[in-house]
Amino acid sequence: GDSVTQMEGPVTLSEEAFLTINCTYTATGYPSLFWYVQYPGEGLQLLLKATKADDKGSNKGFEATYRKETTSFHLEKGSVQVSDSAVYFCALSGSFVFNKFYFGSGTKLNVKP
Amino acid sequence: EAGVAQSPRYKIIEKRQSVAFWCNPISGHATLYWYQQILGQGPKLLIQFQNNGVVDDSQLPKDRFSAERLKGVDSTLKIQPAKLEDSAVYLCASSLDGGESEQFFGPGTRLTVL
Repeated sequence: GDSVTQMEGPVTLSEEAFLTINCTYTATGYPSLFWYVQYPGEGLQLLLKATKADDKGSNKGFEATYRKETTSFHLEKGSVQVSDSAVYFCALSGSFVFNKFYFGSGTKLNVKP
Repeated sequence: EAGVAQSPRYKIIEKRQSVAFWCNPISGHATLYWYQQILGQGPKLLIQFQNNGVVDDSQLPKDRFSAERLKGVDSTLKIQPAKLEDSAVYLCASSLDGGESEQFFGPGTRLTVL
């Protein structure tokens, strides 16, 4: 069945460092891919998404490119800030009409000043 | 615009007791989701409603969990009887029309089963 695998955390970086959080997926058909973020004490919220191969989603300086050939959707940011400290979830939506969501296990990011 | 509302925020019960959670989605959202998030894991979809019909409940433990969405608006999720392994955060989310639409999440209900 469909699934998402993301790198284990926590990831600890200094402010202004480059961030990569790896995400790979298994799916039949042509899924849509998402990154959700959960800031401390807040609910999950959509960060970015891509709905077809080679699409790049971007928001708040974060980017992720839908790579069908490597079944990946890695999250990147060129210069992280302390305020980016959160848990990041990669997610997949199936390709049929009533799509089911699959979330990865989450990667906690700690950014130190 | 009001977000997804959930209550209660916290609940502590003993095993074999029953518990119910309530969710009020964003007005006009046709699709409603219930997720279970165990500590250290990602959310797992329990049930998905499209208006007041069930789209997917393949991961809902139907011997103890039940959910309904009357009139296609509010929803309740019930556990009866609860087990220790049901300790988790129960998240409700809604989206305009399912599929690739953005899901908006409520704050969740943290359930502890003793």
